[in-house]
Amino acid sequence: ELKVEQNPLFLSMQEGKNYTIYCNYSTTSDRLYWYRQDPGKSLESLFVLLSNGAVKQEGRLMASLDTKARLSTLHITAAVHDLSATYFCAAQAGTALIFGKGTTLSVSS
Amino acid sequence: SAVISQKPSRDICQRGTSLTIQCQVDSQVTMMFWYRQQPGQSLTLIATANQGSEATYESGFVIDKFPISRPNLTFSTLTVSNMSPEDSSIYLCSVATGSQETQYFGPGTRLLVL
Repeated sequence: ELKVEQNPLFLSMQEGKNYTIYCNYSTTSDRLYWYRQDPGKSLESLFVLLSNGAVKQEGRLMASLDTKARLSTLHITAAVHDLSATYFCAAQAGTALIFGKGTTLSVSS
Repeated sequence: SAVISQKPSRDICQRGTSLTIQCQVDSQVTMMFWYRQQPGQSLTLIATANQGSEATYESGFVIDKFPISRPNLTFSTLTVSNMSPEDSSIYLCSVATGSQETQYFGPGTRLLVL
């Protein structure tokens, strides 16, 4: 059974500093997803990572995938207030997505 | 990409009643899914809605409690039957549009059972 663990679950960030969220999954998965959820909102797709060594970047966010280590990271560069939200990773098992518990980011000046 | 709408967006229901949630997609999709997000929690897959056949349910979810319809490639419904306060959650419809694309989520239906 595929399980997905994220850490940390909460991250208090200072503006301008760099941070990393880690996502481990327990068994082989076809692909890895990252989503953002703002309070009271649905999920916004950030990245889908399809293969080992995949790296994708959008603005201050960069996601990478290491399938051998079963690890994906979401790196935040120079945090800004707009990045405050909950971030979920999800690994694909067959056609379904198995989600981590989410990491809630709070950015303060 | 896919644009997904859900109805209702929110509802307050009495225990013992049932609520049907609708999911409409702006294009034909093969895969449609229903997820539940309990307050402050992550998302859990309820079932995969299969067009032309019965839905495939995940462990812990049964058809009698969560009957699903999928009459065509753009529409699905999820019914939450005989509701109890424990069913208070956000219910999200999701679709997969292609092998290289992400899965998209609808805006969700916020359900409160009293």
